[in-house]
Amino acid sequence: RKEVEQDPGPFNVPEGATVAFNCTYSNSASQSFFWYRQDCRKEPKLLMSVYSSGNEDGRFTAQLNRASQYISLLIRDSKLSDSATYLCVVNKDTGRRALTFGSGTRLQVQP
Amino acid sequence: GAGVSQSPSNKVTEKGKDVELRCDPISGHTALYWYRQSLGQGLEFLIYFQGNSAPDKSGLPSDRFSAERTGGSVSTLTIQRTQQEDSAVYLCASSRGTPSGWDGYTFGSGTRLTVV
Repeated sequence: RKEVEQDPGPFNVPEGATVAFNCTYSNSASQSFFWYRQDCRKEPKLLMSVYSSGNEDGRFTAQLNRASQYISLLIRDSKLSDSATYLCVVNKDTGRRALTFGSGTRLQVQP
Repeated sequence: GAGVSQSPSNKVTEKGKDVELRCDPISGHTALYWYRQSLGQGLEFLIYFQGNSAPDKSGLPSDRFSAERTGGSVSTLTIQRTQQEDSAVYLCASSRGTPSGWDGYTFGSGTRLTVV
């Protein structure tokens, strides 16, 4: 079983739609959680951290469910520019700080 | 510098040759990481440097892979006797080493390695 699992998609949605991605992680000792965004042939970039209480950044909302070991990302009012691959990322060892990346969920926002 | 700098951006090499990939992290970042990403795949952890501590090499796929970090700054990833399965994008990232306020990594733009 992979440490971090994501639906690869693609998710094809029209502009303005709301879309949600989920991710599950296997290590219950995981400490830190992030969503990264990766554009085609580019490096991953931090989208947002995920906090236990849930957090929002504009159109993006992240949730963490420790009991079920899953993380979600909600994107409201999708824009064409949101088209990218979204990587779920987990850190299980705060001392080591090595992140484990999911394989990503591809989002394509259609005009 | 302002960001993580990697060189070269692209490298084509013949099977069996050695290659060196360079990473210059963000100034002041004590932690440095190497990952690789094969086509259509997720990121695979290779090695991690933190300050003066011994590096975590647990992700290196074979003894053909090695990495150094000199003076706590620039890092070089060396692949000896390259094989076609080594073809991938090699990504370097750096981060602050402090426990508080950590917000993940900043990646460089990567080196695209093609072994022919």
